Amino acid sequence: AQKVTQAQTEISVVEKEDVTLDCVYETRDTTYYLFWYKQPPSGELVFLIRRNSFDEQNEISGRYSWNFQKSTSSFNFTITASQVVDSAVYFCAWSTPQGAQKLVFGQGTRLTINP
Amino acid sequence: DTGVSQDPRHKITKRGQNVTFRCDPISEHNRLYWYRQTLGQGPEFLTYFQNEAQLEKSRLLSDRFSAERPKGSFSTLEIQRTEQGDSAMYLCASSSSGGEETQYFGPGTRLLVL
Repeated sequence: AQKVTQAQTEISVVEKEDVTLDCVYETRDTTYYLFWYKQPPSGELVFLIRRNSFDEQNEISGRYSWNFQKSTSSFNFTITASQVVDSAVYFCAWSTPQGAQKLVFGQGTRLTINP
Repeated sequence: DTGVSQDPRHKITKRGQNVTFRCDPISEHNRLYWYRQTLGQGPEFLTYFQNEAQLEKSRLLSDRFSAERPKGSFSTLEIQRTEQGDSAMYLCASSSSGGEETQYFGPGTRLLVL
């Protein structure tokens, strides 16, 4: 069965520090998608990125960057120069392009950025 | 704003009562999902609709739960005879098929069963 593991339950850093959130997944599928979502205190899940399994190119969007490595089944997320507004719970998720394409989520990492 | 909306945002009910939640997806999205999230956990899939057809249900969805999407637009999730274990955040998401399959989530309905 598919599984997503976010081993870091909570991370706390001081503003302007760089922080990396880890995500490891398990799957036997050869084609799949990986996602990161942000959940601020308001509760709404905000989509950040989707990655296809055949595209291992790293991606950068402003202060956010993602490192996808199929060899280690990891899809890590780095925030550079963190800000207080980055404080939230971050979820990594997996889905397959077949059928319902339901998302399988990790347990989330609670990130706190202290001023 | 044409994002996913959910109503109500919060619901407090007594054990044994029935509750119904509504989800309005992004208008051009034909896929609709319900997830449940308990405290400190990631969301878990409950059920999925493509247009008006309910195509998949999780084993988490007991007989007390029923979901509908009568005209392929909004959806309702009903819980009958609520139990304290039903207390959770119920999240709705929508996506389109054929290309951009990313699921976009609504703000959720937080249910507390006393």
